[in-house]
Amino acid sequence: SQQGEEDPQALSIQEGENATMNCSYKTSINNLQWYRQNSGRGLVHLILIRSNEREKHSGRLRVTLDTSKKSSSLLITASRAADTASYFCATALRTSGTYKYIFGTGTRLKVLA
Amino acid sequence: GAGVSQSPRYKVAKRGQDVALRCDPISGHVSLFWYQQALGQGPEFLTYFQNEAQLDKSGLPSDRFFAERPEGSVSTLKIQRTQQEDSAVYLCASSQGRQETQYFGPGTRLLVL
Repeated sequence: SQQGEEDPQALSIQEGENATMNCSYKTSINNLQWYRQNSGRGLVHLILIRSNEREKHSGRLRVTLDTSKKSSSLLITASRAADTASYFCATALRTSGTYKYIFGTGTRLKVLA
Repeated sequence: GAGVSQSPRYKVAKRGQDVALRCDPISGHVSLFWYQQALGQGPEFLTYFQNEAQLDKSGLPSDRFFAERPEGSVSTLKIQRTQQEDSAVYLCASSQGRQETQYFGPGTRLLVL
């Protein structure tokens, strides 16, 4: 079963607008990562935010983490057509002395030129 | 340097056949993960290796699935007596440590007829 739930499931915006995606998870985490996946391709890592961090920036990306609400958001500013992709959050869960990553269901973003 | 590579990129198998999927991680990466991704879904964790040790195989859906990494580098995911429900994209990822950024390969798209 998947631990993360992204919201919305699909998002369509105009080029230049901002896109916000949310991720909720169920259990305590060590870190949370966001990934992008273009159609038919592998996942590309975007940002890792640790449980003791609240906000992180990378270029046009801004990620927030609220551990009390067990949620994270990914903001893409000034979107471009090339940002069209599926976006997934992944949480690192400690299990039996090791860690495994649980991915959410994804948000499918479409940026219209 | 080279990223994670997977082969074959596409595999068509008849129901009942055995298949072997290969993953070449980034050189020096200790951790290696296998995921299964169904169409329109996020990746689902299958198994995790730290060097040659398989520390977590809780995600393997049945005893028909077997993974190995005998020398702590290349890994093979083997599926015996394939079934139609095994059709999916199989993703491999590697990272320097257990909780660090994962780098994904392009995946192997398996279709079982």
